[in-house]
Amino acid sequence: EVQLLESGGGLVQPGGSLRLSCAASGFIFSNFAMSWVRQAPGKGLEWVSAISGSGGNTYFADSVKGRFTISRDNSKNTLYMQMNSLRAEDTAVYYCTKGLRSTDYCGQGTLVTVSS
Amino acid sequence: QSALTQPPSASGSPGQSVTISCTGTSSDVGAYNSVSWYQQHPGKAPKVMISEVRKRPSGVPDRFSGSKSGNTASLTVSGLQAEDEADYYCSSFADNNYVVFGGGTKLTVL
Repeated sequence: EVQLLESGGGLVQPGGSLRLSCAASGFIFSNFAMSWVRQAPGKGLEWVSAISGSGGNTYFADSVKGRFTISRDNSKNTLYMQMNSLRAEDTAVYYCTKGLRSTDYCGQGTLVTVSS
Repeated sequence: QSALTQPPSASGSPGQSVTISCTGTSSDVGAYNSVSWYQQHPGKAPKVMISEVRKRPSGVPDRFSGSKSGNTASLTVSGLQAEDEADYYCSSFADNNYVVFGGGTKLTVL
């Protein structure tokens, strides 16, 4: 059974940083690209970033480019997202998803609140 | 990259079928067989119901089916049940290694 468990969310001040993690199980982690998707309160889903299975290629939405980085540790079956220079508009529930071209599973999410 | 276009709402009676459309462009939906459909109940995490246009992840009832024609993808829910009432989002892989989402459709079971 595929499981994706996000952690690391919380309250952070504008301009601050946060690192999210996503622990994966139930599939061969290194064989699949992984993505982050977010949902602001009362809004729809927004793709944020993705990383190839090897970790050698990364992709970002324009809204976070230059502020967020994505990485993975295939020995730990874990996906990460480092979020810097956070803004109020980054407030959202962040979900990790399995895949990029083909997305078939989504985690339970972790809430990030950017506020003073 | 523009969002995919979905109708804001759809409805049907129990037992009926309902189809939700998702219109993109030749740079996303029309270019790749990489459309996913998510179901989201209020206050819950999204769940992928369809991937790669028409594939159902493990555990998804076969009442849910997907298709694509040109730049428009569709999700059909057959034999509507009360628990199908939820928000539905489509997404597609797009040029330049991007992913675009639709704005979501609220499905009401009458």
